[in-house]
Amino acid sequence: DAMVIQNPRYQVTQFGKPVTLSCSQTLNHNVMYWYQQKSSQAPKLLFHYYDKDFNNEADTPDNFQSRRPNTSFCFLDIRSPGLGDAAMYLCATSIPGANVLTFGAGSRLTVL
Amino acid sequence: AQTVTQSQPEMSVQEAETVTLSCTYDTSESDYYLFWYKQPPSRQMILVIRQEAYKQQNATENRFSVNFQKAAKSFSLKISDSQLGDAAMYFCAYAGGTSYGKLTFGQGTILTVHP
Repeated sequence: DAMVIQNPRYQVTQFGKPVTLSCSQTLNHNVMYWYQQKSSQAPKLLFHYYDKDFNNEADTPDNFQSRRPNTSFCFLDIRSPGLGDAAMYLCATSIPGANVLTFGAGSRLTVL
Repeated sequence: AQTVTQSQPEMSVQEAETVTLSCTYDTSESDYYLFWYKQPPSRQMILVIRQEAYKQQNATENRFSVNFQKAAKSFSLKISDSQLGDAAMYFCAYAGGTSYGKLTFGQGTILTVHP
């Protein structure tokens, strides 16, 4: 089945130790998104790609970066995770002009 | 900036009964979309129902329907004949007409379904 797959599902890292979360999709969607969902809070958009064009939200911390080497893959890099970065990270995809998103199951990050 | 508010952190319903989840939003845009997403525990978020603001008719998807009150900026979700599989976190979300999937989510409502 076509889908959005996130790895790892659970990631534990130490304070300040870089971490990379990955997202792959078989939908061939042009647009990919990363959302951050902290405990008991609403998901918040960090950035999105329209093909290779990167769009950063104004309040996304510099600590967060992203790469999209091809249509199928997108990575979220957290350079120096702090305790406040512990969250569920959601990847989603869509076709251009459509507002319906297909989400992955998420990657839960724990920072010790 | 747009905001979405879900005033019910938790709701519960008996199996086979009907429950309504509330959502209000604030926007100055005239063209926008509203959504209800369902997030089961440890599983991916899936779209339940979508409403285009320009459509007066309320959207319906099987047991799920919305009550869209544009003037009041209200967008509630009604689940009829509730099933155990409906238990999840439900998010109301907003997208502007040209925002292409940049959703603004509410805080979510945890729905418990009792057998």
